[in-house]
Amino acid sequence: AQTVTQSQPEMSVQEAETVTLSCTYDTSESDYYLFWYKQPPSRQMILVIRQEAYKQQNATENRFSVNFQKAAKSFSLKISDSQLGDAAMYFCAYRSSGGADGLTFGKGTHLIIQP
Amino acid sequence: DTGVSQDPRHKITKRGQNVTFRCDPISEHNRLYWYRQTLGQGPEFLTYFQNEAQLEKSRLLSDRFSAERPKGSFSTLEIQRTEQGDSALYLCGSSMAGELFFGEGSRLTVL
Repeated sequence: AQTVTQSQPEMSVQEAETVTLSCTYDTSESDYYLFWYKQPPSRQMILVIRQEAYKQQNATENRFSVNFQKAAKSFSLKISDSQLGDAAMYFCAYRSSGGADGLTFGKGTHLIIQP
Repeated sequence: DTGVSQDPRHKITKRGQNVTFRCDPISEHNRLYWYRQTLGQGPEFLTYFQNEAQLEKSRLLSDRFSAERPKGSFSTLEIQRTEQGDSALYLCGSSMAGELFFGEGSRLTVL
């Protein structure tokens, strides 16, 4: 079974600064997908960024980028120019490429933005 | 299209009562998922439908839990004889072999 580990229960960053959230995972599969989801107090899980394991290039979405290290099974999220609206729980998630499987989530990192 | 809709948003019940949650997925999505999220944890997979067929069930889904998707559209999740340990946020998500979109969840509190 796959596992996802987020070792930082909470992170704090000053507004406009950069912060990196860590995620490691364990799998025996070679093809899979990785995701970062944001869950604000409204509770709705919102997809931030996704990465296909077969792609070597790191995914980027505006101020959000990932550092995907397949050999190390590491998938960190970098948020540049942090904004107050970025404050939320961030979950790293894994999905097999087989398509039918649900997501396996980490326990989350609570991101605090200091004004 | 208004996204994934879940009802009710909040439910408070007494131990031993039955509760039912409803999920309306995005209309063209054939895949529907139920997750449970307890305080301080990430969501945990419960079950998955492709159209009306329930294709996968987690071991977390005890025999007190039942999920249906009778016409391949909306889905219901019923919990019988609720226990305090069932208190959680129940999330529904839908997809069309791509990005998984979530609803805002149904918060269950069992007293």
